[in-house]
Amino acid sequence: KAGVTQTPRYLIKTRGQQVTLSCSPISGHRSVSWYQQTPGQGLQFLFEYFSETQRNKGNFPGRFSGRQFSNSRSEMNVSTLELGDSALYLCASSGRGPLGADTQYFGPGTRLTVL
Amino acid sequence: AQSVTQLGSHVSVSEGALVLLRCNYSSSVPPYLFWYVQYPNQGLQLLLKYTTGATLVKGINGFEAEFKKSETSFHLTKPSAHMSDAAEYFCAVSDRWDNDMRFGAGTRLTVKP
Repeated sequence: KAGVTQTPRYLIKTRGQQVTLSCSPISGHRSVSWYQQTPGQGLQFLFEYFSETQRNKGNFPGRFSGRQFSNSRSEMNVSTLELGDSALYLCASSGRGPLGADTQYFGPGTRLTVL
Repeated sequence: AQSVTQLGSHVSVSEGALVLLRCNYSSSVPPYLFWYVQYPNQGLQLLLKYTTGATLVKGINGFEAEFKKSETSFHLTKPSAHMSDAAEYFCAVSDRWDNDMRFGAGTRLTVKP
């Protein structure tokens, strides 16, 4: 099976702009989670989508949002970018059903730089 | 709330030496525990996981970890380090109901020739 893919791999934006990141999960996986990785804060959970519904949400401001499509592909949007949003954004997919966690498989990430 | 503490942000070993990366967790419910490895400019790769059953878990690349409930630990070991093991390692915890995975701060492993 193909792994988790994320596009684009690298992105440079300026403060105040918005950005959309895309994630295609492993075929058959219905759960997609997003994480932010920074040197200062480490890996932090953003949110999880399952069957087009947000199931869990981390402690991030409303500028961070996401959605999931019927084919399980997911997008993450960040509006009004701030310098502190510069990070590696990782997407992970899992075969998690309605109950129970499952192993998450990570994509290569999107490196976002905000100038 | 669940959390993970990784002891030692940097660990350096010689090639062929034992690798021991420490992880302690906090969880009010039976945990699912994971070790991931991250190479530069790449995503996370799953090394091994513990959910239920046997407490000694074997993973890829010769790594293994033992779940010790009494010590709330899930340390990662490898008998003999290889140069290719140099990377950053993350311990993570979730519970059986939730995909909200909490990660440790990571341990950077350096392998000296």
